[in-house]
Amino acid sequence: AQKITQTQPGMFVQEKEAVTLDCTYDTSDPSYGLFWYKQPSSGEMIFLIYQGSYDQQNATEGRYSLNFQKARKSANLVISASQLGDSAMYFCAMREPNRDDKIIFGKGTRLHILP
Amino acid sequence: DAGVIQSPRHEVTEMGQEVTLRCKPISGHDYLFWYRQTMMRGLELLIYFNNNVPIDDSGMPEDRFSAKMPNASFSTLKIQPSEPRDSAVYFCASSFFKENYGYTFGSGTRLTVV
Repeated sequence: AQKITQTQPGMFVQEKEAVTLDCTYDTSDPSYGLFWYKQPSSGEMIFLIYQGSYDQQNATEGRYSLNFQKARKSANLVISASQLGDSAMYFCAMREPNRDDKIIFGKGTRLHILP
Repeated sequence: DAGVIQSPRHEVTEMGQEVTLRCKPISGHDYLFWYRQTMMRGLELLIYFNNNVPIDDSGMPEDRFSAKMPNASFSTLKIQPSEPRDSAVYFCASSFFKENYGYTFGSGTRLTVV
């Protein structure tokens, strides 16, 4: 079974609109961490935001926020006021520290911001 | 901080040749990870080290692949002999052991085996 599921292979969004990228995860461990990474066309992997399973509030980093719905095992990334530079591949990932130290990545969502 | 440094950035080699990819992690990070990225399979974890010791190599595709970390500041991933299906981008990443700390990735090595 997949640990991380990103159901949107690609999305097109108009510039300045908000974007929600979906991510669901599967774990039976109460302690875990969720991550989002951005991979622009240049290829590097850029860490965006982190959410811990025990965190009471949704994580935010500038225009990025994580809509964490624990009961639904959902960790959607929200990008407010999208910009052309947000066009990239976005990966959701999870770490289960009680299990091992690996971060498991989803298949990614390719986001295209339209001018 | 120079970040995670990988070399070379691009490698083109003929089938059957040995390929060595190199990685210098961020100083002080005690974890090092090797990932492979392809269109078909996405990001696959190949192997990771903790304090220079290999912890999990279950992702290494076959015996043609080997990885070493002789010290805290250097790791290699070797493919011998290389095959066209090994063509991919290979990323190295390093991290602290800290729950909320993500990996820092290198720029990757794009390997093409012809």
